[in-house]
Amino acid sequence: DTGVSQDPRHKITKRGQNVTFRCDPISEHNRLYWYRQTLGQGPEFLTYFQNEAQLEKSRLLSDRFSAERPKGSFSTLEIQRTEQGDSAMYLCASSIGLGQNTGELFFGEGSRLTVL
Amino acid sequence: GENVEQHPSTLSVQEGDSAVIKCTYSDSASNYFPWYKQELGKGPQLIIDIRSNVGEKKDQRIAVTLNKTAKHFSLHITETQPEDSAVYFCAASRNTGGFKTIFGAGTRLFVKA
Repeated sequence: DTGVSQDPRHKITKRGQNVTFRCDPISEHNRLYWYRQTLGQGPEFLTYFQNEAQLEKSRLLSDRFSAERPKGSFSTLEIQRTEQGDSAMYLCASSIGLGQNTGELFFGEGSRLTVL
Repeated sequence: GENVEQHPSTLSVQEGDSAVIKCTYSDSASNYFPWYKQELGKGPQLIIDIRSNVGEKKDQRIAVTLNKTAKHFSLHITETQPEDSAVYFCAASRNTGGFKTIFGAGTRLFVKA
C-alpha cells in the first residue's frame, strides 16, 4: 500500500493524558499536513511541513499541540494534557513538493481521538 | 482571515437528477480550487479541481465552474447515482505558502434510488 498511513486509527484517553499520532506520507511527497475534523465540519488546517521544516502553524493551534517531522519522512502530532474539546478526527495529508506541486492533497484515513 | 462557505449543508436528490453545490471564498489570492469527496470512515479524496486561469472544467459527469470576480465556484454532478452519496467539500488554496488548503463545511449528498 503506497498511500498515506496513520496510526493509531482510534485512541480513547482520559482527560489530562498525552497522546501521540503518527503519519507516514507517500514516500516521494515533500509536504505533509495535519488537519483536524469534527463531526459535520470540514477539515481544519493545523500545520504543515516542507521536508523537515515546519513552515506554518494555525493560530488556532494551542500550545498543547506539537508536531514534528524529524527526518522529513514520517511525522508525529502530540497533544499534551488532553481536553474533551480535543476529541476529533486528526487527518494527515501529503503532497508533492515544489516544482511539481499540483496542490492535490492525499489524505490518510485519520486517527480518531476520544477524550473522556 | 481565510474562509470558505459552502451551501447547502445537506442535499437529497433522486437518482438520475443533477446536484449542485456552491461555495464562496474570501482570500482573493486563492488560485486553486479543489473538490473532495469523503466516504464514511475514510479521508477526503480529490475528485476534480480548477485553477484560476479557467472558468470551467468537466470530467465525465462532474463539472466545476469558477467566477473569480464574484469569488464563487460550484460543483455540478449530472446523472447522479447512489454511489455518489457522500460528503463533498469545496476548498481554496494558493500556490504560495505550501498550498495550505481551506475547506468548506461540507455538503452531505444523498442520492435516492
